Amino acid sequence: DAKTTQPNSMESNEEEPVHLPCNHSTISGTDYIHWYRQLPSQGPEYVIHGLTSNVNNRMASLAIAEDRKSSTLILHRATLRDAAVYYCILRPYSGAGSYQLTFGKGTKLSVIP
Amino acid sequence: KAGVTQTPRYLIKTRGQQVTLSCSPISGHRSVSWYQQTPGQGLQFLFEYFSETQRNKGNFPGRFSGRQFSNSRSEMNVSTLELGDSALYLCASSPGDGARTDTQYFGPGTRLTVL
Repeated sequence: DAKTTQPNSMESNEEEPVHLPCNHSTISGTDYIHWYRQLPSQGPEYVIHGLTSNVNNRMASLAIAEDRKSSTLILHRATLRDAAVYYCILRPYSGAGSYQLTFGKGTKLSVIP
Repeated sequence: KAGVTQTPRYLIKTRGQQVTLSCSPISGHRSVSWYQQTPGQGLQFLFEYFSETQRNKGNFPGRFSGRQFSNSRSEMNVSTLELGDSALYLCASSPGDGARTDTQYFGPGTRLTVL
């Protein structure tokens, strides 16, 4: 299985940018990098995904290294609501049209007021 | 659009019983996936259904089963409950068109406690 490595936890001050790293040295050429997050007592929610180029959306930015062996999720201005576990996920093809989400341990982000 | 709904939200059962959990996907979504989340093992994939057919299955014993109906609603069943089955069971729906960028939308989960 394509694996990702993330720090167990990170802290950030409110209203400051946060850079959440992810290593995926065994990524294949067609694997997209997906980020989901799980707020306390909720199901996971989609954050962003990308293949090669950097990506931006209303929630975050995704910076992908040129060799694609690592990526960084950037929250431009952390709020208390961003305190969550962030998962970096690759989705290799599982057959029969299925691209399974395989969650690792993720990074628990704490935001300090 | 309404989000993914799961019923019931909380459930208490005893060992040896069976349980059925229900998931209603977002309207128009044809794929439903189920996950088990425990403090020790984290989020683990159970199975995925698409157009009433199971198209992917995780590494769980045969006591865990599921099905999908023609309206895309899905149920999962756990028979002969064990203490270790206590977990948050999450359902996620997606359009299911087979794209590797297919976003999954998760429900709030069903918290199952086995006594």
